[in-house]
Amino acid sequence: AQRVTQPEKLLSVFKGAPVELKCNYSYSGSPELFWYVQYSRQRLQLLLRHISRESIKGFTADLNKGETSFHLKKPFAQEEDSAMYYCALNFTGRRALTFGSGTRLQVQP
Amino acid sequence: KAGVTQTPRYLIKTRGQQVTLSCSPISGHRSVSWYQQTPGQGLQFLFEYFSETQRNKGNFPGRFSGRQFSNSRSEMNVSTLELGDSALYLCASSLGRINTDTQYFGPGTRLTVL
Repeated sequence: AQRVTQPEKLLSVFKGAPVELKCNYSYSGSPELFWYVQYSRQRLQLLLRHISRESIKGFTADLNKGETSFHLKKPFAQEEDSAMYYCALNFTGRRALTFGSGTRLQVQP
Repeated sequence: KAGVTQTPRYLIKTRGQQVTLSCSPISGHRSVSWYQQTPGQGLQFLFEYFSETQRNKGNFPGRFSGRQFSNSRSEMNVSTLELGDSALYLCASSLGRINTDTQYFGPGTRLTVL
């Protein structure tokens, strides 16, 4: 069955430090992968998707099919990056996101 | 553009009752998906509607049902409520043309079952 694993519940870093939020998935097909973010008292919103290969707010994520990973990275964390981050997988041909359990990122001053 | 709206924002019900939650998508969006969020299970997909038809369904019992109207607004219904149905229910809308269309989430309805 498809599964998304985010091994860290909490990741605490200092401002300016690099950030890597881990995401591993299990799915035999070609995955469509996303990162969603939820800032305090705000709605869940899309941060980026793998097919766009884009960089949003300095974050990037590379799909590694060999390691079945889609880790989210940012070279220099900012305090405003503090939020809950969810990795999500969509089956090919199906609109039904499977979410990981989420990682809370705390960026300390 | 106005965002996705959900009503009511909070609900308290007792076991055995039924409840209806409403979701109004962003104007022009034809797909509405519903998710349940609980501390134990996280975010889980319930179902997706597109042009008034259920297009995808998650692994929830038949007590959970939904529908979509011609204006794309959607409702979900939970019958014979159980304590375990206490959760934040999120809906998300998208254009619905391709699976990677951005899904825009509403603020959620927090349901408490006593």
